[in-house]
Amino acid sequence: GDSVTQMEGPVTLSEEAFLTINCTYTATGYPSLFWYVQYPGEGLQLLLKATKADDKGSNKGFEATYRKETTSFHLEKGSVQVSDSAVYFCALSPGYSSASKIIFGSGTRLSIRP
Amino acid sequence: NAGVTQTPKFQVLKTGQSMTLQCAQDMNHNSMYWYRQDPGMGLRLIYYSASEGTTDKGEVPNGYNVSRLNKREFSLRLESAAPSQTSVYFCASSEFPDGEQFFGPGTRLTVL
Repeated sequence: GDSVTQMEGPVTLSEEAFLTINCTYTATGYPSLFWYVQYPGEGLQLLLKATKADDKGSNKGFEATYRKETTSFHLEKGSVQVSDSAVYFCALSPGYSSASKIIFGSGTRLSIRP
Repeated sequence: NAGVTQTPKFQVLKTGQSMTLQCAQDMNHNSMYWYRQDPGMGLRLIYYSASEGTTDKGEVPNGYNVSRLNKREFSLRLESAAPSQTSVYFCASSEFPDGEQFFGPGTRLTVL
């Protein structure tokens, strides 16, 4: 079945470092892809999304490109800040049926040192 | 626009007690969901409602029941709480089952 695999955390970086969080997926249809972020003590919120191959989603300095050939949707940011410390979830919407639910990855905890 | 609201924010129960977690959304969404999130773990789907009048089991439904009261409200009931149900519970909604989900702030439940 459809699934999402993301890199295990925790990931610890210094402020202003470059960030990559890997996400790969398995899907039989034409999925939409999402990155959600969960700040401490809060619910998840959508960070960015891409609905078709080669689309790039971007928000708050984060980017991810939908790569069909490598079935990947890696999250990147050029210069992280302490305020980016959170848990990041990759997710997909299968796309072959409007009755299909979003599938979430297991989450990657990111900690940024000042 | 409040989005997705959940009550209560915190709750402590004793083993065997019952309670209902409330969730409401004001976005006119068709689909609603209940998840649990345990420390260091991702989300696990408990139940969902693809549309008003329907409910289906998710990954971890045992020990829970749900009611889709109307289009806005989706409640989660623990009939006889167990320590294994200590968790953070999130409600979410989406326009359609395969659409972007909007999450509430969560209910932190401790069962002693």
